[in-house]
Order: sequence, then C-alpha cells, then structure tokens
Amino acid sequence: RKEVEQDPGPFNVPEGATVAFNCTYSNSASQSFFWYRQDCRKEPKLLMSVYSSGNEDGRFTAQLNRASQYISLLIRDSKLSDSATYLCVVNDMIKAAGNKLTFGGGTRVLVKP
Amino acid sequence: DTEVTQTPKHLVMGMTNKKSLKCEQHMGHRAMYWYKQKAKKPPELMFVYSYEKLSINESVPSRFSPECPNSSLLNLHLHALQPEDSALYLCASSHGQPNQPQHFGDGTRLSIL
Repeated sequence: RKEVEQDPGPFNVPEGATVAFNCTYSNSASQSFFWYRQDCRKEPKLLMSVYSSGNEDGRFTAQLNRASQYISLLIRDSKLSDSATYLCVVNDMIKAAGNKLTFGGGTRVLVKP
Repeated sequence: DTEVTQTPKHLVMGMTNKKSLKCEQHMGHRAMYWYKQKAKKPPELMFVYSYEKLSINESVPSRFSPECPNSSLLNLHLHALQPEDSALYLCASSHGQPNQPQHFGDGTRLSIL
C-alpha cells in the first residue's frame, strides 16, 4: 500500500463548477498535511496547509479526518487557471533528523470553458 | 518569483562529466532538501539538511553528493551519472518545524546523454 494515495484523475470540471477530491495516508502518526499544486514542467507550489478543524482560503477548502486518515480539497467556482495537478503532501518529523515530506501521486484537474 | 533559487535551469551532461547543481535561499530557513522528480511522478526525497548537517539520505547512490556550505546554500555534486538519472531536480527549504511547509525552487532539468 502506498503511503499517500490519490485518485490520479483527470477530473474534467466545467468552469464555475465545484470539484472535490480526497487523499488517504497510511501513517497514523503523521503530523502535518499540505496541498500543493504543480503546473506542467513547473515546481510544486504551496496551495494551503490543512488543519484539524478544516480551513478555507478563498475558493479552496481543506479538511482533515485523522480517524479515517484522509484529507480532502474542495474547489468552488472553478477557474480555467485552476487546471493543474494537486499534490497531497504528508509531513513526518523524523526525530533529530528533520522533516520528511511524502507526496501523493497527484490528482489532475482540467477546468474547461 | 520563487524565493528559492536554483541554477542552472537546464543541464545536459555526459555520463563521464562532473557537474554541480546549486540552490540558494535567503528566508532564514534552517532545513534544506533535494528532491528528484521524473515525468508524471511526484517528487521523491533524496537528502535533508538540518542546521547545515546531513540528517536524511534516502539511500541515494554515491554518484550524487550533497554539500551544504552554509545555511543559505545547498549544492548537489554529480559524477558518473546514468541515463536514468535524467529528471527534474528540486531544491526546497523550510523552517524545520513540522507544521511549516517547504518552499520549492523551480528546479534544474537534467538530461544525461
């Protein structure tokens, strides 16, 4: 079983619609969670951190369910510029060694006019 | 503009060459990272430096040799690489706390002939 799993998609989304997708992680001791977006042939860019109580940043809402070990991302009022690969990222603090990010395989989102 | 700067942007080298990738950040981050990313795959961690000391080596072959001259700089020395080492090499930095995200440079696209 992969440490962090995502539906690869693609999710084909009409402009203005809402899309949501999940990510599951295997390490129940994982400490922090993030969503990054990556455009083709570009570096990953932080979209948002994911907090236990859930958090919102504009049109983006992230949720964390520690009991079921999944994270979700919801995008409202999708824009063409939201087309990207969304990477679910889990951070584990390795004692005395530092942080280790484990990436999911990414979910591809295509927003169409 | 990314706050983590990587040079060169592109590198083509033969299997017998020696070259170095460079990464610089001025955000006061105490942890720096090297990742390797193949096409259509997520980034894979190679090395972690915490307070200028190598803290994690993800069983990377010795033909990759990291170096951290100071808290702002991270190098990756390359020697006798193989064609399968062709990939995007990403540098990242963070404050080093588990709830702090990593910030990525825009990468060096490496091709081994």
